[in-house]
Amino acid sequence: GESVGLHLPTLSVQEGDNSIINCAYSNSASDYFIWYKQESGKGPQFIIDIRSNMDKRQGQRVTVLLNKTVKHLSLQIAATQPGDSAVYFCAETTGANSKLTFGKGITLSVRP
Amino acid sequence: SAVISQKPSRDICQRGTSLTIQCQVDSQVTMMFWYRQQPGQSLTLIATANQGSEATYESGFVIDKFPISRPNLTFSTLTVSNMSPEDSSIYLCSVKFSNQPQHFGDGTRLSIL
Repeated sequence: GESVGLHLPTLSVQEGDNSIINCAYSNSASDYFIWYKQESGKGPQFIIDIRSNMDKRQGQRVTVLLNKTVKHLSLQIAATQPGDSAVYFCAETTGANSKLTFGKGITLSVRP
Repeated sequence: SAVISQKPSRDICQRGTSLTIQCQVDSQVTMMFWYRQQPGQSLTLIATANQGSEATYESGFVIDKFPISRPNLTFSTLTVSNMSPEDSSIYLCSVKFSNQPQHFGDGTRLSIL
């Protein structure tokens, strides 16, 4: 069946460096994508989203890139901070479906 | 964004028993969902909680095991029935307002002995 997956299970970065988290999706009909951050003991927290009619969207210190040709999504975090340490999930949905399909998740660890 | 409260936040239960998890939102919401997150894994949608009608279950989840209620636009419950150790997971409620992404509660951490 269709699935959303991540390339790497863990990512370790130096504080202050930029982080890039990648996600591959397989449902070409998906038209809305979300990145969530989940800290220990908490539920997923919305970070940023992007619709399929865009290829880039920027937030505060975060940028999401969408490449529909290769069905690839990435999250870039600038000047990574210890507070960015968490598990990151990409999620996708289709049209008015509203049901989210989540990727496997990647743990971001920030070294001081 | 809405404040989503889940109760209990965690519990330890005996196998064969059932537990009802509550999800309360501080404003009326269009859609509510229940997810399961098994240890070290991603989130899997259990069902969409429909106000005033039966929930819509995803493949692999059945009403007898996970009965869901949604009596109004701000409240829903998920019951995990006849629990076994394999049901040890985090159960998460999410809500969606029109034209907004889904937002999640902090989940219920359930362990079955």
